[in-house]
Amino acid sequence: EDQVTQSPEALRLQEGESSSLNCSYTVSGLRGLFWYRQDPGKGPEFLFTLYSAGEEKEKERLKATLTKKESFLHITAPKPEDSATYLCAVQAQAGTALIFGKGTTLSVSS
Amino acid sequence: DTGVSQDPRHKITKRGQNVTFRCDPISEHNRLYWYRQTLGQGPEFLTYFQNEAQLEKSRLLSDRFSAERPKGSFSTLEIQRTEQGDSAMYLCASSRDSPYGYTFGSGTRLTVV
Repeated sequence: EDQVTQSPEALRLQEGESSSLNCSYTVSGLRGLFWYRQDPGKGPEFLFTLYSAGEEKEKERLKATLTKKESFLHITAPKPEDSATYLCAVQAQAGTALIFGKGTTLSVSS
Repeated sequence: DTGVSQDPRHKITKRGQNVTFRCDPISEHNRLYWYRQTLGQGPEFLTYFQNEAQLEKSRLLSDRFSAERPKGSFSTLEIQRTEQGDSAMYLCASSRDSPYGYTFGSGTRLTVV
């Protein structure tokens, strides 16, 4: 069964304190791995798509990496406005649906 | 491009009533998806349309749920005889052909009392 597990469930950081979020997955043939940001009461906002092991993508303070079993979202020198829930999802080769993890809720304090 | 629009944003209904939600996707997107999200969980897939054809349905989509996408434009999701367990955020998303990422709407939060 295709599955996504994210850790930690919650992460508290001080402003400027870099860290990483983990997304472990099992899928029958990976078509793509997706990272989304979700603010309270809103829909997920697309961040990155990764397609193959070794691929990396960056956007401002965020960098996503992918291996054959997991993905990391690295946050460098976070700011309070980075506080949100970060969702990881995979799409299998044979499917159209995205399979989401439960997310990591990040809180950054100044 | 005004994004994916969902209406209403919030809906409170009594158990046993029927409710209908609307989703207007990004105009050039031919694929439309419905997801459900409960507190502390990631979104769960409900159903998928390519143009006007409903191509995939999750086992979560019981016979009380029905979705349509007439003429391949907007979509509606109807829940009949609502139950308290239906309380959730219902998210609509659209995309061009894979492997592009989805664009989600802001969701409709349903509360069944």
